[in-house]
Amino acid sequence: GENVEQHPSTLSVQEGDSAVIKCTYSDSASNYFPWYKQELGKRPQLIIDIRSNVGEKKDQRIAVTLNKTAKHFSLHITETQPEDSAVYFCAANAGGTSYGKLTFGQGTILTVHP
Amino acid sequence: DTAVSQTPKYLVTQMGNDKSIKCEQNLGHDTMYWYKQDSKKFLKIMFSYNNKELIINETVPNRFSPKSPDKAHLNLHINSLELGDSAVYFCASSYTGEEQFFGPGTRLTVL
Repeated sequence: GENVEQHPSTLSVQEGDSAVIKCTYSDSASNYFPWYKQELGKRPQLIIDIRSNVGEKKDQRIAVTLNKTAKHFSLHITETQPEDSAVYFCAANAGGTSYGKLTFGQGTILTVHP
Repeated sequence: DTAVSQTPKYLVTQMGNDKSIKCEQNLGHDTMYWYKQDSKKFLKIMFSYNNKELIINETVPNRFSPKSPDKAHLNLHINSLELGDSAVYFCASSYTGEEQFFGPGTRLTVL
């Protein structure tokens, strides 16, 4: 089955800096890669996703890049703000299944210091 | 207007008891999921239903039994609770099988 590895496990930055979180996946048939943000005590919420026919996608201060050959994808947050502090999860779907079996990475605790 | 809701929010119970968690979505989605998030925050899928049919059944003890009375509801019943069942359980739903909307979670504590 799919295996998703996420690094780093913790990331501490100063407000205004950029943050990058990286994930690798094992199933070459995976074609959907979402990123979720989970604030303390809250539910995971989708912040951006990318499909395998696209190499990069941006939404304001966040961007995701995908390298299908190397089987890795990354989340980039620019101009970080204290409210970006949360746990971030990457995920990959299993072999192009249509029912959304997502395998999640281990999570990255991002702390943005004012 | 709540999209995916779960009850109860907190559940504290003794080992050996049986308990249920309920989930409802008003998004008109066809697919619903149960996830378990352990103390290390790891999120793992347990079950998924599409139009009341079980489509994903991960390696989960058979003490856990999901039930979907209709496509807007997915409940989780747990028999003979064990200490290791303590976790946060999230329900989620999806239309396309891609973007998944999570419920607020149920924090289960087994004493």
